Amino acid sequence: GQSLEQPSEVTAVEGAIVQINCTYQTSGFYGLSWYQQHDGGAPTFLSYNALDGLEETGRFSSFLSRSDSYGYLLLQELQMKDSASYFCAVRGVDSNYQLIWGAGTKLIIKP
Amino acid sequence: DSGVTQTPKHLITATGQRVTLRCSPRSGDLSVYWYQQSLDQGLQFLIQYYNGEERAKGNILERFSAQQFPDLHSELNLSSLELGDSALYFCASSEGTGDDYEQYFGPGTRLTVT
Repeated sequence: GQSLEQPSEVTAVEGAIVQINCTYQTSGFYGLSWYQQHDGGAPTFLSYNALDGLEETGRFSSFLSRSDSYGYLLLQELQMKDSASYFCAVRGVDSNYQLIWGAGTKLIIKP
Repeated sequence: DSGVTQTPKHLITATGQRVTLRCSPRSGDLSVYWYQQSLDQGLQFLIQYYNGEERAKGNILERFSAQQFPDLHSELNLSSLELGDSALYFCASSEGTGDDYEQYFGPGTRLTVT
């Protein structure tokens, strides 16, 4: 079957850097996505990794290691508006290429 | 604003009742996905439609059904409602058949079953 693990909560300070990890189990891995969701809001797409390595988009970067079934989202120069839940989601053959979502990591940012 | 619209925003109903949630995808998107999100949980994929046809099914209960109409809007029907069906229901859309990695989410419908 498929499963994803990510920490339930992470706390960081404004202006700092934080890393949110995601480990997954799936057959026929196709790609790892990251989404951001503010309280009461809709998920919004952040990044996608299909190949090993780092993808950078502004203050956010995402990393994937297929051999380790592991990825992370890196947020730099944290701002209060980054307080949200972050979800990793994996696409694989097991799920007929549909996204299977982790339970989410709540990022708490302190001033 | 993702361009995906969902109605209604909130719905309060009683156990045993039936409700219909509606979704209009972004202009040009052919795929529509339905997700359920219970309190402080991740998203559970329910079902996907592509250009009017069911393409993939997730953990959708038999009491739930969906369809996508020729104008590409979609409806999710929930019947014989139970307290545990209370959740946020999101619709998302994408351009292609589901292999595209970016989905655009609507604002959601918050369903409360009392």
